[in-house]
Amino acid sequence: QKEVEQDPGPLSVPEGAIVSLNCTYSNSAFQYFMWYRQYSRKGPELLMYTYSSGNKEDGRFTAQVDKSSKYISLFIRDSQPSDSATYLCAMSAGNYGGSQGNLIFGKGTKLSVKP
Amino acid sequence: DSGVTQTPKHLITATGQRVTLRCSPRSGDLSVYWYQQSLDQGLQFLIQYYNGEERAKGNILERFSAQQFPDLHSELNLSSLELGDSALYFCASSVLGETGELFFGEGSRLTVL
Repeated sequence: QKEVEQDPGPLSVPEGAIVSLNCTYSNSAFQYFMWYRQYSRKGPELLMYTYSSGNKEDGRFTAQVDKSSKYISLFIRDSQPSDSATYLCAMSAGNYGGSQGNLIFGKGTKLSVKP
Repeated sequence: DSGVTQTPKHLITATGQRVTLRCSPRSGDLSVYWYQQSLDQGLQFLIQYYNGEERAKGNILERFSAQQFPDLHSELNLSSLELGDSALYFCASSVLGETGELFFGEGSRLTVL
């Protein structure tokens, strides 16, 4: 079993739809959870960051973490064509001064929002 | 613009050759990370440096090596290249801390023919 599983899609939705992206993981030590957005031919950029369980909202984006189920989600409300990108989940056990940079990434879900 | 600069953007070379990829981190960031991204494997952590010293190692092949210089820029050396080494190579930087937030460059696309 891979440490982080993410459905690669592709996922195609009409403009204005609510998008739900998900990842599951197996390592119970993970406590830092991130979502990165990667446009074609660009590097990943941090979209949302969550520590431990709970929800975090930022504009049209909501990140949820359920550590008991080892499941994280990203919701995009009122999706726009500019949201078309690959979304990568990433997580880390976090260890100040240690290998905290060793983020484990999902393979990414390719999202297309049609006008 | 993340502030992380990578060169070259594109590189085409032949099997058996050696290449060097270069990365300049964001101003003030002491940590540099190298990742490989391929279609089938996704984004794979290769190696991390902090202030010139190796801090963590991931799935980096013995044919690959990296270093971080006193001015904090980093180089990833790939030798005895194989077709399977064709991929996007990303550099990322961060202030070493607990959060794990990384800032990625735009990558170097390596094609091995």
